[in-house]
Parts: sequence; structure tokens; C-alpha cells
Amino acid sequence: EIVLTQSPGTLSVSPGERATLSCRASQSISSSYFAWYQQKPGQAPRLLIYGASSRATGIPDRFSGSGSGTDFTLTISRLEPEDFAVYYCQHYGSSPLFTFGPGTKVDIK
Amino acid sequence: QVQLQESGPGLVKPSQTLSLTCTVSGGSISSGAHYWSWIRQHPGKGLEWIGYIHYSGNTYYNPSLKSRVTISIDTSKNQFSLELRSVTAADTAVFYCARGEVGYSSGWLDYWGQGTLVTVSS
Repeated sequence: EIVLTQSPGTLSVSPGERATLSCRASQSISSSYFAWYQQKPGQAPRLLIYGASSRATGIPDRFSGSGSGTDFTLTISRLEPEDFAVYYCQHYGSSPLFTFGPGTKVDIK
Repeated sequence: QVQLQESGPGLVKPSQTLSLTCTVSGGSISSGAHYWSWIRQHPGKGLEWIGYIHYSGNTYYNPSLKSRVTISIDTSKNQFSLELRSVTAADTAVFYCARGEVGYSSGWLDYWGQGTLVTVSS
């Protein structure tokens, strides 16, 4: 079973600043099966990044994903007020097929 | 634009069966490229994938829930459903349905329902 660990648990950032979120897998995984989601309070998760680095439809280009092997990163280049949320990483392929990380909360500094 | 909407009771008694339905609009549930998932989120916690179904009827469940879960599909109504048996308070959660883009070099959930809170309590 692959375990995803996200860091930090909470990231305090000022609007306009850059945010870097990390997701580490317990063993090497294919970037093709790696995604990031954003979840705001009271809302469903929204797909941001798939295939580790491809932006989903309608996602602003201030969001970017990178990484391979065991280490993946989500970068938000300039935080907008609507970007304060919880971010989850996700892997597909090992039991239980869809595995999520515990999340990183990005809040206002 | 694909949309998904969960429906079902918001309150279930312990030991009973939780039943939810997801209605898909704006696209066909019979698309061979997609798998239709259920995910839950305990209050204030992270996301737990429950299982998925393909229009062909193929299913795959989270081993941690497999003994209590059945996911079914009704292509004529463009719906799929979740049954979770023998529920306890620990099953209280927001339940989401979602479309999975799954296949060679793909494995993510691109459209989600808004979620429905199910509370298990007597």
C-alpha cells in the first residue's frame, strides 16, 4: 500500500505570495497517476492538476505541479484570496486504487 | 458540462443500510472511458475512496469497506448507487460521487457532486 504524506500540515501565506506544497509517496509512483485537488469549506474537492503537471480545465496558470518518483510539488505562484483552502494530493493504482494525502491547509497569514 | 448530484436519506439508524444515488447529467454514464466513484469524508477529516463502477458493471471496492459495500449502476436512468450495510456512528460522513478518468496513464476524479451529509444515529 502506498502512503502519501503532505507537508506542511498548515501553510500561512499572505495574499500575493508564493505557496509551495509538498506530497511524498512511500514508494516510487508514476506521475501519470498523480493529481492535486483543492477543497474549500462546505464544497466538494476540485481537480487542479492531473498527471502531476497538467492543469485541469479552467484552472488558472498560477497553479503548477511538478515532481516524479516519490516527491511531488504544487506551487501557487501568487496567492489570490480565493486560493485559501485545503489541498489534497492523490495517487491512483495501488490498493485501495485511489489514495489521498491528509491535506495541507493554506490559510491567510 | 457534466454534473453529478447525490441524493438519499440524511439520517440512518445504526445497523441499518445507508443508500445513496448519484444522478449524472450533461454526459452519459455509459461512457467507456469513465468509472463512477463514491468517496466519503468524515467530519473535519480527509478523503476516503469507497469504490467505483464501470458502465459494464465491473466494480472495485476499497478493501477496508469491501465486506459492507455494493455499488450498482442504472444506465437507463444515468444513475449509480451506493449501499453501505451495517452502519455505525463511525460511518457518519459527507458522501461524494465523482467521475473517474481512469485508464492507461490516467487516474483522477474530474467531476464531483456537491456532497451529502449522512448521519448515523438512533
